[in-house]
Amino acid sequence: RKEVEQDPGPFNVPEGATVAFNCTYSNSASQSFFWYRQDCRKEPKLLMSVYSSGNEDGRFTAQLNRASQYISLLIRDSKLSDSATYLCVVKNTGGFKTIFGAGTRLFVKA
Amino acid sequence: DADVTQTPRNRITKTGKRIMLECSQTKGHDRMYWYRQDPGLGLRLIYYSFDVKDINKGEISDGYSVSRQAQAKFSLSLESAIPNQTALYFCATSDFSLPGGRSYNEQFFGPGTRLTVL
Repeated sequence: RKEVEQDPGPFNVPEGATVAFNCTYSNSASQSFFWYRQDCRKEPKLLMSVYSSGNEDGRFTAQLNRASQYISLLIRDSKLSDSATYLCVVKNTGGFKTIFGAGTRLFVKA
Repeated sequence: DADVTQTPRNRITKTGKRIMLECSQTKGHDRMYWYRQDPGLGLRLIYYSFDVKDINKGEISDGYSVSRQAQAKFSLSLESAIPNQTALYFCATSDFSLPGGRSYNEQFFGPGTRLTVL
C-alpha cells in the first residue's frame, strides 16, 4: 500500500464548478500536510498547508481528518487556470521525511 | 532570476555513461533535496542534505551519489546510467521554520531535468 494515495483522475469539470479531491495517508504519526500544484512539465509549487482545524485560501479549502487519515481539497468556482495536477504531501515524524502523492489531474473546460 | 536552477534541463545519454546533474540556489536555504518523478509514482526522494556536512540517503538512493559542494550547490551523479533511470529529476530546497506558518518547511523546486537513458 502506498503511504499517500490519491485518485489519479482526470477530473474534467466546467468553469465555475466545485470540485473536491481526497487523499489518504497510512502513517498515523504524520505531522504536517500540504497540497502542491504542478502544471504540465513544470515544477511543483506549494498551494496551501493543511491545518487541523481546516483552512481556506480564496476559492480553495483544505480539510484534515486525522481519525480517518485523509486530507481533502475543495476548489470552488473553478477557473481554466486551475487546470493542473494537485499533489497531496505528508510530512512524517521528525519533519524530514516528506511523502508526495502521485497527484490528481484536473482539467477545467470552458 | 530563478531562485533554484538546474542544469542541464534536458539530457539524453547512453547506458553506462556517467552523468552529473547540478543544482544551485540563491534562497540561502540549508536544506536541499533530489527527487525523481515517474508517471503514476509521484516524487521519490533520492538524497537530502541539511547542511554542507550532512548527506542522507532517501528511499531510492541505489545507483546515485551526491555532492554538497557549498550551501548553494547540490549535485546528483549517476555513476553508470541505466534505462530505468529515465525520469524527470527535481532539486528542491527548504528552510526550517516553526510549525503553524504558511511556509512551514515549504519546499521550493527547481525547473527539473528531463533525463533519458537509452
